[in-house]
Amino acid sequence: AQSVTQLDSQVPVFEEAPVELRCNYSSSVSVYLFWYVQYPNQGLQLLLKYLSGSTLVKGINGFEAEFNKSQTSFHLRKPSVHISDTAEYFCAVSEQGGSEKLVFGKGTKLTVNP
Amino acid sequence: NAGVMQNPRHLVRRRGQEARLRCSPMKGHSHVYWYRQLPEEGLKFMVYLQKENIIDESGMPKERFSAEFPKEGPSILRIQQVVRGDSAAYFCASSPEVLGPQHFGDGTRLSIL
Repeated sequence: AQSVTQLDSQVPVFEEAPVELRCNYSSSVSVYLFWYVQYPNQGLQLLLKYLSGSTLVKGINGFEAEFNKSQTSFHLRKPSVHISDTAEYFCAVSEQGGSEKLVFGKGTKLTVNP
Repeated sequence: NAGVMQNPRHLVRRRGQEARLRCSPMKGHSHVYWYRQLPEEGLKFMVYLQKENIIDESGMPKERFSAEFPKEGPSILRIQQVVRGDSAAYFCASSPEVLGPQHFGDGTRLSIL
């Protein structure tokens, strides 16, 4: 079974500051990794995913994440955030060769202040 | 290209009633997933279906919950004899193929009185 830990439930930052949202996972098998964003009263939108290849993955809206197998981490970063980035961010994994179901972390609420 | 459509967006039921949640996947998508989000929690997987088949229902409660994805029409998540603990946001996602990205609907928020 897999599990995902998002260490920070809330992250407040100022506009134009850099941000890192942390994600660690646990799994006995190889996994695929994802970051989703959820705006209030909406569904989840895929930001980026790691399936294989380069460990640095670039996504939409200027976000990127780096897969670190030895540390079982997949932290999300953005060098300069905007007010519009205020949302909840979810890290998720799925088991390679499994049923494609996603296992989510509890989420990190990013609040960007002016 | 319309996204994943879920209806209703909000559903209110009294304890003991039935709740039926509908999900129309994106055009061309034959894989459907249902997830439940409780307050202050991440999404929890419930069931994975392909057309007319349940592939993985390891996250479904053993009683009162069922799901289907018929050959024609939307996928339906059915909750019989609802209880207060069923109050949550229920999200549907669809993908076109195995390993395809899952596209999420805006969810159905179920409230039990």
